Formats: sequence, structure tokens, C-alpha cells
Amino acid sequence: DAKTTQPPSMDCAEGRAANLPCNHSTISGNEYVYWYRQIHSQGPQYIIHGLKNNETNEMASLIITEDRKSSTLILPHATLRDTAVYYCIVTEIYKYIFGTGTRLKVLA
Amino acid sequence: DTGVSQDPRHKITKRGQNVTFRCDPISEHNRLYWYRQTLGQGPEFLTYFQNEAQLEKSRLLSDRFSAERPKGSFSTLEIQRTEQGDSAMYLCASSGQSSNTIYFGEGSWLTVV
Repeated sequence: DAKTTQPPSMDCAEGRAANLPCNHSTISGNEYVYWYRQIHSQGPQYIIHGLKNNETNEMASLIITEDRKSSTLILPHATLRDTAVYYCIVTEIYKYIFGTGTRLKVLA
Repeated sequence: DTGVSQDPRHKITKRGQNVTFRCDPISEHNRLYWYRQTLGQGPEFLTYFQNEAQLEKSRLLSDRFSAERPKGSFSTLEIQRTEQGDSAMYLCASSGQSSNTIYFGEGSWLTVV
């Protein structure tokens, strides 16, 4: 079973920040938090990952709480092309266990 | 920059036929994975190769499924005597030696009729 809990769906207005939460209360010390997204009928796309510290790249920011029991993926200026299913995964090895993710719909 | 390449992208086959999917990983990646995804679900791990060695197989990989990576480069996933329950997207992914970040291909859709 997936070690993460995500809301099944969210809406976001185009141009606004999309904040996608993820709970991982049983995360262990060596496990990273990974985020992927999947646009309809395509393979999952890597977004970002982190261990303890907040991370930022050209796609998104990842905020991990101090106790590491939850995290938030932030898409700073959502566009229609960000409409996708977003998966939060915690793992310390190569084997990912996906949940059902959050279906983000960006609205014009 | 070439990503993970999968072929064919779509396959329709009759129940009982054999099918084979090919995966070409990112060139410098020595780890290769196969996942399966059915509608409405997240991808499920099937198997993992490090170079040519198959190091882990999921219980989802029944006897009708076989994966190979003969020269440590491309990989094939064969499904024998296909069943309707095999209809899914088969995803290949790869990663480098020093990272657990895996990169997925676009997937191969299988429809068994």
C-alpha cells in the first residue's frame, strides 16, 4: 500500500499558485519525498524530490514540514498544461509505490 | 537528449496471443524498471534490472510474463497467452547508479480483445 495520502481532486485558477498537499505520517528517516505528474495517456513525469529541506527547481517548489510528516508541492503560476494527476511518493529505494494521486484541474 | 523510448505505443491483440514490448532506457542508465498501470490507478511495480541482472520481480508478474535485458541496454517484456485482464499501460523507466530518481517512458498501451 502507498504510504501517502492525497486529496483525490483539486481545482486551481490559471495563473494562480497550485498547492498540492501530501500526508506521509509514517515516513522513515531515510525516505525521500518524490513528486511526479501524469498528463492523460502519458508516462509519469518527474517533478521534484527532497529529504528534509525545501527544494525548488524550474517546475515547482517542495515544502516539507519539520517533522517530515507532510509536504506540499507548489506550482507557482499554474497553466492549463499543468492539468494532470499528481503523485506523491515516499521511498528510500528504486521501487515506487504509487497511490491514486491528486487530479489537478487548472481552470481558465 | 533522448528519454526512455518504448515500442510499440499501442497494441491490440486477441486473447491467447503473445505480445512483446521493447524499452530503450536513457543511454547512461544501468537500472531499468517495468511498471503496469490500469485505468484510474497509479502505476504498479513489476520488475527491476541492474545491468542485465533481473534483481526483483513483483508477485504481479505471473508465469505468463517474462522480462529480459540481455546486454544490459534495451529490455523486452513478453506476455504469453494474453488475457483480457492484461489490458493496461506498460511503463518502462530507468535510473542511474547513484540516484533513485527514475524517468519513465511514454508507455505501451495493450488492449486484449
